[in-house]
Amino acid sequence: EPEVTQTPSHQVTQMGQEVILRCVPISNHLYFYWYRQILGQKVEFLVSFYNNEISEKSEIFDDQFSVERPDGSNFTLKIRSTKLEDSAMYFCASSNPGQGSTEAFFGQGTRLTVV
Amino acid sequence: RKEVEQDPGPFNVPEGATVAFNCTYSNSASQSFFWYRQDCRKEPKLLMSVYSSGNEDGRFTAQLNRASQYISLLIRDSKLSDSATYLCVVNEGTYKYIFGTGTRLKVLA
Repeated sequence: EPEVTQTPSHQVTQMGQEVILRCVPISNHLYFYWYRQILGQKVEFLVSFYNNEISEKSEIFDDQFSVERPDGSNFTLKIRSTKLEDSAMYFCASSNPGQGSTEAFFGQGTRLTVV
Repeated sequence: RKEVEQDPGPFNVPEGATVAFNCTYSNSASQSFFWYRQDCRKEPKLLMSVYSSGNEDGRFTAQLNRASQYISLLIRDSKLSDSATYLCVVNEGTYKYIFGTGTRLKVLA
């Protein structure tokens, strides 16, 4: 069964450093997303991406964040100048509404720890 | 008002019990509705989509009431393995999925 894959599974970084979280969405999906979940809190929308551009972003997704689809398979989230409060699980997801189903499928997540 | 509201629980039920979760959403223009399941520190996994006519998948039944902006999930004959957090998710048509806080279920032996 096709799945969304994310790397690394766990990333520890020092405050102020830049991190890149990587995702390989399901191959025939067209919409890509990043979400985050701070420990004990709900899953929060960060950004959606379609046709090589951002379709929507939340208030959380400020200038510290950027997304890119550098090639035909990868979808990345870059976090510049990380802060302690960026520590969270980051989930990538993808969907393909054109296939008649609108559900999104999530990767296993990257646990980001900022120290 | 929160976009998607759920009772956080926990719901502690004995094996074999029937349990129901509810969810309300604020955006009347929302188009698609889902229940996801999340195990501790794992990714959300799709349990089922929710259709206006209601739908059933084995022990799980989902209902949607658009007039009341209300979604429900019924689990019959609860198993220990059903213990998880159940997430109500609403798609607002702009390909933005909004999550509720989740309802924790513990099925007790």
